[in-house]
Amino acid sequence: EIQLTQSPSPLSASVGDRVTIACRASQSISVFLNWYQQKPGRAPKLLIYDASSLQSDVSSRFSGSGSGTDFTLTISSLQPEDFATYYCQQSYRAPVTFGPGTEVDFK
Amino acid sequence: EVQLLESGGALVQPGGSLRLSCAASGFTFSNYVMNWVRQAPGKGLEWVSTIRRSPNNIFYPDSVRGRFTISRDNLKNTLYLQMNSLRAEDTAVYYCAKNRVDDTSQFDSWGQGTLVTVSS
Repeated sequence: EIQLTQSPSPLSASVGDRVTIACRASQSISVFLNWYQQKPGRAPKLLIYDASSLQSDVSSRFSGSGSGTDFTLTISSLQPEDFATYYCQQSYRAPVTFGPGTEVDFK
Repeated sequence: EVQLLESGGALVQPGGSLRLSCAASGFTFSNYVMNWVRQAPGKGLEWVSTIRRSPNNIFYPDSVRGRFTISRDNLKNTLYLQMNSLRAEDTAVYYCAKNRVDDTSQFDSWGQGTLVTVSS
């Protein structure tokens, strides 16, 4: 099973900050890495797939990069609605696994 | 608009059974791979099961294999999860989720979730 770790957790930030969340895989997963946003009491929302492709209807302030074992999710200018928990997920090999999540909260 | 609506969550005793349903609308259900993902209270996300367009292609993690059965009715546009021999650690919100495309395991639409509580 491929393990995913995320850092930092939690992440304290302010509106307007540039925010970067890291995700590391226990083995190479090429670019088969996806990012989700989840707000309390809500279902997750797909933001980025295949490491860097922006899902439709997702703000362009979200971007992803990386390949192999190291990946990042960047929010270029944090907005109030972006305070949430972010999960990475690998879809390279079954079983699909998720990272533990990074909560982005108010500094 | 894609809509996924789960139902069937309840309080059940350890060792009991439950069947979850997910009613799909707004897309051609039969064309998409479907999944169940769960989230224990205050915890992260865990993939539970996948069913491809052909109902014979089914996948589970070790944690539920042999106890859970995923199925689909393409005429009713409904996804199911039959859960047997339930354990306390199966307590979670269960989400159905649709693949973005093909067998990518990129979950682009989710239901609102249904809560399963396993407790005596």
